[in-house]
Amino acid sequence: DAKTTQPTSMDCAEGRAANLPCNHSTISGNEYVYWYRQIHSQGPQYIIHGLKNNETNEMASLIITEDRKSSTLILPHATLRDTAVYYCIVRVNTNAGKSTFGDGTTLTVKP
Amino acid sequence: GAVVSQHPSWVICKSGTSVKIECRSLDFQATTMFWYRQFPKQSLMLMATSNEGSKATYEQGVEKDKFLINHASLTLSTLTVTSAHPEDSSFYICSARDGTGGYTGELFFGEGSRLTVL
Repeated sequence: DAKTTQPTSMDCAEGRAANLPCNHSTISGNEYVYWYRQIHSQGPQYIIHGLKNNETNEMASLIITEDRKSSTLILPHATLRDTAVYYCIVRVNTNAGKSTFGDGTTLTVKP
Repeated sequence: GAVVSQHPSWVICKSGTSVKIECRSLDFQATTMFWYRQFPKQSLMLMATSNEGSKATYEQGVEKDKFLINHASLTLSTLTVTSAHPEDSSFYICSARDGTGGYTGELFFGEGSRLTVL
């Protein structure tokens, strides 16, 4: 699986958009970008994933650059409950494909 | 989304005893499950890939005789920490993918099991 690089921490004001970047410059053509988050002392939660097109769901939007070497997760209106560690992972989209977690970004949403 | 359940949520045991942690996919079948370990203030570390009906595949540095994995059915995988010692105290998390018609590739994680070895 390709290595990802994320900032260690970020702050965001409540109600504002949170933009979390991820670099994955060695991504392969068949690897997808997945985002998960982990709230303290809980199991990680799936947020969104994509291959090359931008994606949006009820939780977030995922913007992938045209060269696919980086992406941005956007939480449009951050709330205090969005405070968590956010992990960006790239891997092939097969049932047995392993997901290797990096250090992630600790997002703190402040009132 | 799909639900993965772990049991127990937390366990305290004496050094030298063995502890079993169960991971169940409640509403889907999982031919493959993954076991992770997480120490405080660290990321998740993949320990092994659990394959239904066959032997687990362990990551480098993980002792297979120490961490026994059994994946006897499409909805259940178990992790047994044998002869646990204080350094095995950690947060153990399992995950699985829906390998059937609903497959979209995302991992679903259990709630985690916190093991404390005295």
